[in-house]
Amino acid sequence: DTEVTQTPKHLVMGMTNKKSLKCEQHMGHRAMYWYKQKAKKPPELMFVYSYEKLSINESVPSRFSPECPNSSLLNLHLHALQPEDSALYLCASSPGLGSDTQYFGPGTRLTVL
Amino acid sequence: GEDVEQSLFLSVREGDSSVINCTYTDSSSTYLYWYKQEPGAGLQLLTYIFSNMDMKQDQRLTVLLNKKDKHLSLRIADTQTGDSAIYFCAENRGTGKLIFGQGTTLQVKP
Repeated sequence: DTEVTQTPKHLVMGMTNKKSLKCEQHMGHRAMYWYKQKAKKPPELMFVYSYEKLSINESVPSRFSPECPNSSLLNLHLHALQPEDSALYLCASSPGLGSDTQYFGPGTRLTVL
Repeated sequence: GEDVEQSLFLSVREGDSSVINCTYTDSSSTYLYWYKQEPGAGLQLLTYIFSNMDMKQDQRLTVLLNKKDKHLSLRIADTQTGDSAIYFCAENRGTGKLIFGQGTTLQVKP
């Protein structure tokens, strides 16, 4: 089973809302990732967690707040977003960090009004 | 430079072979990947190749790696309309950060 699940599939929010994106994997992977993808562009790395600790933060604005409550779950809390934050948000996981293969979820399509 | 480069668009007829090319930058990259993305979907891992290999074949997919020229290619035999998608190559430099190319849009005409 190489499945990463993400909820919700679609999300529309206003600039003053607070919402969360969720990601789950049951492959026993110890590294999890958040990516942002704009249309017709490659994914851009946002955050990496390894063994539930934040390992990489690619200078992401503080209106995005990641959380890794356990080894299977990864959340992305959203607050005071801007319309330019509208994108596809992808979660991925890998057995470990380093050279391990990353498996992606289906993404959450976020629209900020 | 830091970029992984791909051509942006490829159009083929159904039943033909497709070849998608990629040049990467870091000779120390350990794994190189091909991901497929259909409209509105996430990235599907198609195949990968370890840097000490020259070729890998998996059903209709053949990956060729020329490490000297830092050139990677993906050949899809007997291309079908269901193969229409964006194909991303990516290199893993061992840091946990994937470096993606810009993606090649494959259009398959019936």
